[in-house]
Amino acid sequence: GENVEQHPSTLSVQEGDSAVIKCTYSDSASNYFPWYKQELGKRPQLIIDIRSNVGEKKDQRIAVTLNKTAKHFSLHITETQPEDSAVYFCAASIPGGGNKLTFGTGTQLKVEL
Amino acid sequence: NAGVTQTPKFQVLKTGQSMTLQCAQDMNHEYMSWYRQDPGMGLRLIHYSVGAGITDQGEVPNGYNVSRSTTEDFPLRLLSAAPSQTSVYFCASSYSGSEYEQYFGPGTRLTVT
Repeated sequence: GENVEQHPSTLSVQEGDSAVIKCTYSDSASNYFPWYKQELGKRPQLIIDIRSNVGEKKDQRIAVTLNKTAKHFSLHITETQPEDSAVYFCAASIPGGGNKLTFGTGTQLKVEL
Repeated sequence: NAGVTQTPKFQVLKTGQSMTLQCAQDMNHEYMSWYRQDPGMGLRLIHYSVGAGITDQGEVPNGYNVSRSTTEDFPLRLLSAAPSQTSVYFCASSYSGSEYEQYFGPGTRLTVT
């Protein structure tokens, strides 16, 4: 089945700096890669996603890049703010029907003042 | 719209007890899923459904049953609770297809003693 690895597990940056989180996946048939943000005690919420026919997608301070050949994708957050502090999860679609996702193990991002 | 709702928010069970976690959505989504979230392990798929009357197993189905008699509801049953089932459970729904945003419910925190 699909396996998703996510690094780093914790990331601390100064306010205004950039943050990068990286994920790799195993199944070349995966075609959808969402990123979720989860604040403490809350539900995961989609912040950006990318499909396999696109190499990069940007939404204000957030961008995601996808390298299908290497089977890895990354989340980039620029000009980080304290409210960006949360756990971020990458995910990859599981081929074979249904909107099934395999999640990475999460990155705890802390933005320090 | 209420989106995806889950009840109860918190539950404590003794080993061997059974219970049903409720999930409902009012967005007319065809696809619904159950995930469990454990520290350091991300979210793992338990069961999913692509429509009323159709369910299938995910990555970690043992000890859980599901049914989907209506489009709106997707309950998760624990047959005989075990301490290993202590976790936070999230229900999610989406439109049909493999590339659509999954909307998560607020979660149920379950403790089995």
